[in-house]
Amino acid sequence: QVQLQESGPGLVKPSETLSLTCTVSGASTSSDCWGWIRQPPGKGLEWIGYVTYSGDTNYNPSLEGRITISQDRSKSQVSLKVSSVTAADTAVYYCARRTTASGTFYNWGQGTLVTVSS
Amino acid sequence: DIVMTQSPLSLPVTPGEPASISCRSSESLLHSNGHNYLDWYLQKPGQSPKLLIYLGSTRASGVPDRFSGSGSGTDFTLKISRLEAEDVGIYYCMQARHAPQTFGQGTKVEIK
Repeated sequence: QVQLQESGPGLVKPSETLSLTCTVSGASTSSDCWGWIRQPPGKGLEWIGYVTYSGDTNYNPSLEGRITISQDRSKSQVSLKVSSVTAADTAVYYCARRTTASGTFYNWGQGTLVTVSS
Repeated sequence: DIVMTQSPLSLPVTPGEPASISCRSSESLLHSNGHNYLDWYLQKPGQSPKLLIYLGSTRASGVPDRFSGSGSGTDFTLKISRLEAEDVGIYYCMQARHAPQTFGQGTKVEIK
């Protein structure tokens, strides 16, 4: 059974970099894609981007330039960095297993709330 | 970006009755391989989204058969044949045909 667990600081100051880690169990990050989605409080879902098993990345253009997604296969972890954050980046951040064939997010983590505030 | 429009945004349903949610895409989600790249997710209160339907009409593993997805191109529908109390939450459609992947606004299903 695939399980994903997000972790990282719950509070980040404006203009700083948000860094999150997703630890995967029950599957290898050496296969499939691993994506990030976020949800501002009380709002809908926004696709952030993903990293493939080979390390290729694809980011939402609305966030491109501020996003870095990478994986550490040895630790079965996928990471997300968002630079120059503002209050608009306050959201629950989810990591998810994404199939290459259909782009479907099959498994989701429980999510972690990140608040951007001074 | 592809705009996904769901309707209704709020749907009160009596338990045991059917429910239907519409999702329309600003561009076709039909690939030349014959698949529609449209998924449905359910986010129950306080939980992360869970996959219900992928490629327009294929139920994910473990999803009850009262859930069904249909449609092609730009118009899609999620149907619940008989609503149960555990089905309350926000339903999202998501397209994966065009980058960036985009979600509908969500439809809140509640018990009438």
